[in-house]
Amino acid sequence: DVKVTQSSRYLVKRTGEKVFLECVQDMDHENMFWYRQDPGLGLRLIYFSYDVKMKEKGDIPEGYSVSREKKERFSLILESASTNQTSMYLCASKPGQYSNQPQHFGDGTRLSIL
Amino acid sequence: AQKVTQAQTEISVVEKEDVTLDCVYETRDTTYYLFWYKQPPSGELVFLIRRNSFDEQNEISGRYSWNFQKSTSSFNFTITASQVVDSAVYFCALRAVWSGYSTLTFGKGTMLLVSP
Repeated sequence: DVKVTQSSRYLVKRTGEKVFLECVQDMDHENMFWYRQDPGLGLRLIYFSYDVKMKEKGDIPEGYSVSREKKERFSLILESASTNQTSMYLCASKPGQYSNQPQHFGDGTRLSIL
Repeated sequence: AQKVTQAQTEISVVEKEDVTLDCVYETRDTTYYLFWYKQPPSGELVFLIRRNSFDEQNEISGRYSWNFQKSTSSFNFTITASQVVDSAVYFCALRAVWSGYSTLTFGKGTMLLVSP
């Protein structure tokens, strides 16, 4: 089974801090994704990566950056955390661009910015 | 642009009732994929089914069934004889092709509450 592991289930940080959310997958997937989930808004794509060191903006990239130095790891960075970034963050991975396989998701990180 | 609409925000049923979750999508692509995911209270999204645009056959898996109709751009999900363990948020999603890379567009989800 595919395993997507997010480093923290719950995280509390302060406004202005630099926050790192880590995601690791064990299936050698090329594509990785970061979403945020908010009540009434569903899942919205922040960034995705189609290969090591490659990234593309999703629908809501403002206030975020990402890093993919190794194939198995995809990090989401909040450069200067703000209260409106309090949310549930979900990481996902899938095989390459032309694969029909579904995205596999981690358990999520509930991030609170105080 | 791609869009997925799940008009039902929340549904409450009593155990053993049948329930249908609606999903309507919009896309200009002639080739696309539709997905359903389940998110139990624990938080992780669990993949349930994938359907491509060329396959309009309905599918049944145990108590779950899916009705795909291109004519109405709908991909509805029915749970027969619902159980308390079916309580979750269910998301419908569409694979979009954007800037040459395929991503998923999600609906806002339907929360299903099954009471004993």
